[in-house]
Amino acid sequence: QVQLVQSGAEVKKPGASVKVSCKASGYTFSKYAMHWVRQAPGQRLEWMGWINAGNDDTKYSQKFQGRVTITRDTSASTAYMELSSLTSEDTAVYFCAREDILVVAAPVVDYHYYYMDVWGKGTAVTVSS
Amino acid sequence: QSVLTQPPSASGTPGQRVTISCSGSTSNIGGNSVNWYQQLPGAAPNLLIYANDQRPSGVPDRFSGSKSGTSASLAISGLQSEDEAYYYCAVWDDSLNGLWVFGGGTKLTVL
Repeated sequence: QVQLVQSGAEVKKPGASVKVSCKASGYTFSKYAMHWVRQAPGQRLEWMGWINAGNDDTKYSQKFQGRVTITRDTSASTAYMELSSLTSEDTAVYFCAREDILVVAAPVVDYHYYYMDVWGKGTAVTVSS
Repeated sequence: QSVLTQPPSASGTPGQRVTISCSGSTSNIGGNSVNWYQQLPGAAPNLLIYANDQRPSGVPDRFSGSKSGTSASLAISGLQSEDEAYYYCAVWDDSLNGLWVFGGGTKLTVL
């Protein structure tokens, strides 16, 4: 079955960087995009960015632009999210999530519906001095 | 301020039908499809509804979704104790160079 297994919890000092991994199994890694979403304690889910595992295209939320880097290693079926210049406000659980697409044929142009269908269990990152 | 607005809480008794709303704008719900997630405490989100009203395999037909204009709704009929969880709507927003946005979440309590 499709699974995303994330790396373990991290504790970092302010100003440091963290790199979280997400190993995929049960499907062809390069055929799907991967998203990264975080959730601070008691807060809503927050989208950070996305990588097309096939062609390495990335897109980041403007909020994290310049601080986040999402990469992938197709030989290892693994995606990575690195966040730099950490502050206490980055304390959160970080999730990876696979993107699937529903394509509905239409006379003029097909409709594409995007959604995150499978999620990793999350990686807790604590930033504390 | 939140881009997508959900009621912070909802409740119902076993067997009842409850609905959870998600209000947005023309840059998100008005032009894109809505997905819904269920999240139990300490767990990852689980996809409940995608493309406004589609259920993934394995999701009971007690769960249904709809969209009208710049709002969407999740309905849960035949409420069960195991439905007690947080529910989030999610949609692509075309503003700010494009990003996925999530609602603030609704805590559903089964009385």
